[in-house]
Amino acid sequence: VQLQESGPGLAKPSETLSLTCTVAGGTISGGGHYWTWIRQQPEKGLEWIGYIYYTGSTYYNSALKSRVTMSLGASDNEFSLRLTSVTAADTAVYYCARVSTVQVGLEVIRHFDYWGQGTMVTVSS
Amino acid sequence: IQLTQSPSSLSASIGDRVTITCRASQTIRVHLNWYQQKLGKAPKLLISGTSNLQPGVPSRFSGSGSGTQFTLTISSLEPEDFATYFCHQTYNTPPEDTFGQGTRLEIK
Repeated sequence: VQLQESGPGLAKPSETLSLTCTVAGGTISGGGHYWTWIRQQPEKGLEWIGYIYYTGSTYYNSALKSRVTMSLGASDNEFSLRLTSVTAADTAVYYCARVSTVQVGLEVIRHFDYWGQGTMVTVSS
Repeated sequence: IQLTQSPSSLSASIGDRVTITCRASQTIRVHLNWYQQKLGKAPKLLISGTSNLQPGVPSRFSGSGSGTQFTLTISSLEPEDFATYFCHQTYNTPPEDTFGQGTRLEIK
């Protein structure tokens, strides 16, 4: 499985950022996986943005929930991220990833096993 | 849930044994993963569910812990291990995942 992010590398403040993740070697609906977006601001740590399931159901980071929409693409190998009203604080490398699970005893643990290479988005006028 | 890694940075030599700690602000049982990130690259999953080594990851990497305290250990450092390491919790349902701030491992 390979993932590839795409979209504009530059957004103006207050505009909407739109990115697409294309999956190769698999499909969104195959295997019952969730799919996810994560971002990394310059010289900083990782921030989880949200999950989307092949049915279209979503979960978002509560800190970003009012501005984030994740959706499935027209084909079964794409999903997308929209982030509205962007500011300089949204400047980051954006990654998409596949979510898998592992069972440890009675616990089922989510983890991100395949990642895209990331795409840098700069918010600037 | 906040994850705090220590140390934030670490200098070590080839062959050293290194331990990185990740503390959670509340119990996450065993819902803890570890990633390695090299400069300019995406994070790579090393360990899932506290101690499950991913296929292809060298056996010098190991993870342990439960509840609120977890460790990633590299038993004998190799040159390719110098990178930044992140812990990641996926405990909550509905999800509210968080990452540790990272530990930068540098060559002494």
